[in-house]
Amino acid sequence: GENVEQHPSTLSVQEGDSAVIKCTYSDSASNYFPWYKQELGKGPQLIIDIRSNVGEKKDQRIAVTLNKTAKHFSLHITETQPEDSAVYFCAPKLTISGFGAGTRLTVKP
Amino acid sequence: GAVVSQHPSRVICKSGTSVKIECRSLDFQATTMFWYRQFPKQSLMLMATSNEGSKATYEQGVEKDKFLINHASLTLSTLTVTSAHPEDSSFYICSARVGDRGLLTLHFGNGTRLTVT
Repeated sequence: GENVEQHPSTLSVQEGDSAVIKCTYSDSASNYFPWYKQELGKGPQLIIDIRSNVGEKKDQRIAVTLNKTAKHFSLHITETQPEDSAVYFCAPKLTISGFGAGTRLTVKP
Repeated sequence: GAVVSQHPSRVICKSGTSVKIECRSLDFQATTMFWYRQFPKQSLMLMATSNEGSKATYEQGVEKDKFLINHASLTLSTLTVTSAHPEDSSFYICSARVGDRGLLTLHFGNGTRLTVT
């Protein structure tokens, strides 16, 4: 099965700084790479995704980069704000059991 | 678009009783829905795949007789926790797969916090 590793497990940054979370996967057949944000007491929400034929995708302050050769993809958040504080999950396998362990991001005002 | 509604958001029940959780796709049809369980500070654990008009597929270690899944229509899947015990207390989340020109994304409900006393 798919092995998914997410780093770091916790990340604390100052408001305005950038945050980067990395997801490593094992299944070379994976072709869809989403990132989800889960706020306390809520379900995960898709915030950005990328397909295997693209190396980078950006949506305002959020970007995802993909390195298929190395089998990892990363979430980049620039100009972080307190409302970015949440748990972020990667899920590189569309059979939806392949979630990373999550990264708890805390943005300090 | 692609809104998944889950109800109730919170439920407290006594040990030995059963609890039903509903998951609805509000503006699309979902032939497949998924049920997860999430313990505090942990990732989502897939429990089962709910298929409209057929039996659910359960993940290894999940008791199908304890966690009954019914997917009777294209917009509704239900999870019933039967004879609940305190160890069943958890956060249960459903999701639906949404197609987009052959590409699929997941949309999640807001979860149900179950507390068994």
